[in-house]
Amino acid sequence: AQSVTQLDSQVPVFEEAPVELRCNYSSSVSVYLFWYVQYPNQGLQLLLKYLSGSTLVESINGFEAEFNKSQTSFHLRKPSVHISDTAEYFCAVTDPGNNAGNMLTFGGGTRLMVKP
Amino acid sequence: DVKVTQSSRYLVKRTGEKVFLECVQDMDHENMFWYRQDPGLGLRLIYFSYDVKMKEKGDIPEGYSVSREKKERFSLILESASTNQTSMYLCASSIYYEQYFGPGTRLTVT
Repeated sequence: AQSVTQLDSQVPVFEEAPVELRCNYSSSVSVYLFWYVQYPNQGLQLLLKYLSGSTLVESINGFEAEFNKSQTSFHLRKPSVHISDTAEYFCAVTDPGNNAGNMLTFGGGTRLMVKP
Repeated sequence: DVKVTQSSRYLVKRTGEKVFLECVQDMDHENMFWYRQDPGLGLRLIYFSYDVKMKEKGDIPEGYSVSREKKERFSLILESASTNQTSMYLCASSIYYEQYFGPGTRLTVT
């Protein structure tokens, strides 16, 4: 079974500073990878995804993540954060070759706290 | 626009009560999921359904059951609520591995 580790439960950072949220997954022949964001008192929203092709994927609000197969990682980065990026971020993985029902396995989440 | 709705945002129940959490999606998705979210544990899958009247256990099905009589509706049932079921419950539906989530129901069992 797949597993996902988000190494940091909380990441405090000042506004306009860069940030990296780390995600590692258990190895598999093939994977699809996702980052979801949960703003306070809301459900999860898809931020970005890697299915195939370029290993660097971007979101519309300036986040990017890079799929690194050798390190089994999918870290999320943003060069300059805003107060509005304060949220909880979840990494998720699935093995498309062995997955009935499109199930995802989620990490424990990282709470990003952007300070003025 | 994609929409998943959940019947209640906040719910308070007593120990031993039967609790129904309802989820409705308007996207004609075949797959639907119930998760519970607890601090530090992320999202844990309770049950999922890949078709009407079909269900599969997730990682933590004990103490829960589900019902899917119509494609758009997936219900989570706590037969006899206990305090350790106090949690945030999230419903999702999916197509091609991309899951769409409802706003969540925060259930408190006293």
